[in-house]
Amino acid sequence: SQKIEQNSEALNIQEGKTATLTCNYTNYSPAYLQWYRQDPGRGPVFLLLIRENEKEKRKERLKVTFDTTLKQSLFHITASQPADSATYLCALGKGGKLIFGQGTELSVKP
Amino acid sequence: EPEVTQTPSHQVTQMGQEVILRCVPISNHLYFYWYRQILGQKVEFLVSFYNNEISEKSEIFDDQFSVERPDGSNFTLKIRSTKLEDSAMYFCASRGQGLTEKLFFGSGTQLSVL
Repeated sequence: SQKIEQNSEALNIQEGKTATLTCNYTNYSPAYLQWYRQDPGRGPVFLLLIRENEKEKRKERLKVTFDTTLKQSLFHITASQPADSATYLCALGKGGKLIFGQGTELSVKP
Repeated sequence: EPEVTQTPSHQVTQMGQEVILRCVPISNHLYFYWYRQILGQKVEFLVSFYNNEISEKSEIFDDQFSVERPDGSNFTLKIRSTKLEDSAMYFCASRGQGLTEKLFFGSGTQLSVL
């Protein structure tokens, strides 16, 4: 069955450092991969989408890579800030149906 | 930025009761979804809806669940006879037409079945 794995442990980093989150998947050939941010008690908020034929995407301090051979995506936040503290969800999809990972909780300390 | 609105934010009900969760998607969006998240677990797909019909549903979305777009603005999820295991946060989402697969999620309805 389809499986998506994200770093299960919380990630604690110092302000100003780069956070790197990992998303691995098996038994799936997604057309695209998305990253969302989720704050406690709130709905996911879209951050970035990368398609199967793209290697890398950037948006401001965010960077996503997508390796369909390794079946892995890396999500980077550079110059991290305490306001970046949240849970980050990886989601694979075709059409609008998304399969989410369990999320990685990021904590950025001042 | 336009928002997906969900009401109520919290709903408490007795097991066996019917509940209706309401959503107002973004006005020019054509695709509508319900997802749910049990506390501490993944966000799970329930159903997608397009052109006034269900386009896809998950195994979770059994006969106890139904969706409706009763007018041009609302999108509802009905659970006919709630079970304890239906307790979760339910998220409505919508997306526009075309190649964009970006979903806009509402803030959710926390359903507690007692």
